[in-house]
Amino acid sequence: DSGVTQTPKHLITATGQRVTLRCSPRSGDLSVYWYQQSLDQGLQFLIQYYNGEERAKGNILERFSAQQFPDLHSELNLSSLELGDSALYFCASSVALGQHYEQYFGPGTRLTVT
Amino acid sequence: KNEVEQSPQNLTAQEGEFITINCSYSVGISALHWLQQHPGGGIVSLFMLSSGKKKHGRLIATINIQEKHSSLHITASHPRDSAVYICAVPQGSQGNLIFGKGTKLSVKP
Repeated sequence: DSGVTQTPKHLITATGQRVTLRCSPRSGDLSVYWYQQSLDQGLQFLIQYYNGEERAKGNILERFSAQQFPDLHSELNLSSLELGDSALYFCASSVALGQHYEQYFGPGTRLTVT
Repeated sequence: KNEVEQSPQNLTAQEGEFITINCSYSVGISALHWLQQHPGGGIVSLFMLSSGKKKHGRLIATINIQEKHSSLHITASHPRDSAVYICAVPQGSQGNLIFGKGTKLSVKP
């Protein structure tokens, strides 16, 4: 158990809908990363927050947004869902910013868009 | 060209065999991560290393920063080692990772 929690574990929804994925980092970790794993693209970085502020952005679609709240939990919002958004979404946390910190991954949310 | 290349893509071994998975990267980094993903989907961090060698149980990771190459070794492999092993490197100063495509390992009893 990494100490990172994600809810829900599974989500099945229809095209055009909007969903919210939630992540609670390990106690004491200030940095949260969101990653997407799809069959064709593999694992890709979406967005990163540190202590409530957005710090880095990757291949995140405009239909997707995220935020980190004062209690450090983070939410990833996906809207106008398309079939291609079906994927595993992971969040990871680390104690601080930078290349030298280990990242701890949550169990993931499996999103299926039908 | 993918910035992180892993080989082999697939590996089948007999229980007890010594296994090596290789990772090459093209970006300058100061640390490299080895991750394990089990069939259920969860990702576990195995190692983060920036030089030399690290050992944890039957797993050994090495890195050569000058040659931009890392290897993950599994000694006395066991069927429970069957998983996808993923190499990842930080893309920028914030630490966000870019990933290899993974090596799918299957260890037969």
